[in-house]
Amino acid sequence: DTAVSQTPKYLVTQMGNDKSIKCEQNLGHDTMYWYKQDSKKFLKIMFSYNNKELIINETVPNRFSPKSPDKAHLNLHINSLELGDSAVYFCASSQGADGYTFGSGTRLTVV
Amino acid sequence: RKEVEQDPGPFNVPEGATVAFNCTYSNSASQSFFWYRQDCRKEPKLLMSVYSSGNEDGRFTAQLNRASQYISLLIRDSKLSDSATYLCVVNMGSNYQLIWGAGTKLIIKP
Repeated sequence: DTAVSQTPKYLVTQMGNDKSIKCEQNLGHDTMYWYKQDSKKFLKIMFSYNNKELIINETVPNRFSPKSPDKAHLNLHINSLELGDSAVYFCASSQGADGYTFGSGTRLTVV
Repeated sequence: RKEVEQDPGPFNVPEGATVAFNCTYSNSASQSFFWYRQDCRKEPKLLMSVYSSGNEDGRFTAQLNRASQYISLLIRDSKLSDSATYLCVVNMGSNYQLIWGAGTKLIIKP
């Protein structure tokens, strides 16, 4: 069983569209994250939820809206997609001070 | 100055050699440190945590130097499969504030 699974793996869409990425973890972790890795390979945190509560909300356009229906799921909805949103989006989870477990990533290409 | 800095490389190293790279951090209050490995077009995976007393796992050794604010990763007897990007991660005080370096690319050549 995959510990952190995110779907879809690839997403190609036109500018202006709205899309969602889903993430689920079966590790029983309390904290989940969304990260963005751009073409320069920098990993930047976007959001973090702890037990369904938003605890980190970095400077991200409000076109990006996370939703955590329960502590095992953290979805990311993006409105009005722009070219600059093209990147790899990683979901991750952690428990306490342990390291993160990442999903395999969603490669978003906006055309 | 960036919060976490790494030499981007690439480091081109012959198989079997020993290679080491460092990562510097700016916040002296940083509490915990990690090395992650990221293969091309894959997700980052935890390689090892870095403890004050140092940490060794097989061919890999991680060290922390708080006075000079850097952590290091040493790989002995390097294998072709060690080729990857190595990411330095610093916890600034809570589990939610991990700061990631941009990574050091390592290429092991036969």
